[in-house]
Amino acid sequence: GAVVSQHPSRVICKSGTSVKIECRSLDFQATTMFWYRQFPKKSLMLMATSNEGSKATYEQGVEKDKFLINHASLTLSTLTVTSAHPEDSSFYICSARDWEARDEQYFGPGTRLTVT
Amino acid sequence: SQELEQSPQSLIVQEGKNLTINCTSSKTLYGLYWYKQKYGEGLIFLMMLQKGGEEKSHEKITAKLDEKKQQSSLHITASQPSHAGIYLCGADDQGAQKLVFGQGTRLTINP
Repeated sequence: GAVVSQHPSRVICKSGTSVKIECRSLDFQATTMFWYRQFPKKSLMLMATSNEGSKATYEQGVEKDKFLINHASLTLSTLTVTSAHPEDSSFYICSARDWEARDEQYFGPGTRLTVT
Repeated sequence: SQELEQSPQSLIVQEGKNLTINCTSSKTLYGLYWYKQKYGEGLIFLMMLQKGGEEKSHEKITAKLDEKKQQSSLHITASQPSHAGIYLCGADDQGAQKLVFGQGTRLTINP
């Protein structure tokens, strides 16, 4: 099946710094990628929808200036957490939609962000 | 928008026993996905259902979508420790090009 990778898998950063997370579709083109955040013992929360070549669509309550999303190519989307704070510590998961494969959505392995 | 309700929220069963997890939608389902996750890891795609009455199986896991396409169930037969994890149902939020998820069901298998 299709593979989506995320990098890094784990990152620890200091408060006030910025962190970039990459999401890549490895064997298919993804015109749309999604970014989710997961809190401990809770379900996934959609943060934003990323469309190649256009601005991301953010869900209500998600700060677009804090969570910068760039979808520069059909295989790469990036999420940058700017001026990170400890409350941004979470598990971030991306997914990519393979429109040629019956709209199936494939998820990356996730990135654990810890802000100290 | 579409909302999904999963039940139960947590489940502890003895190894070898059968179990069922339910996912109920507030609207008609046009694409229902089941995923498994071990906390802190990515999601593993299990099955996708689209048609009313559809049923799919993979190894000891069977998923069904009811005729009215508002409820899906995931059934595990003869559970094993490897089945432990969090099971999430997801559905296409029609017209919004995104998935919405249930709150998840945490499954524990006792030996």
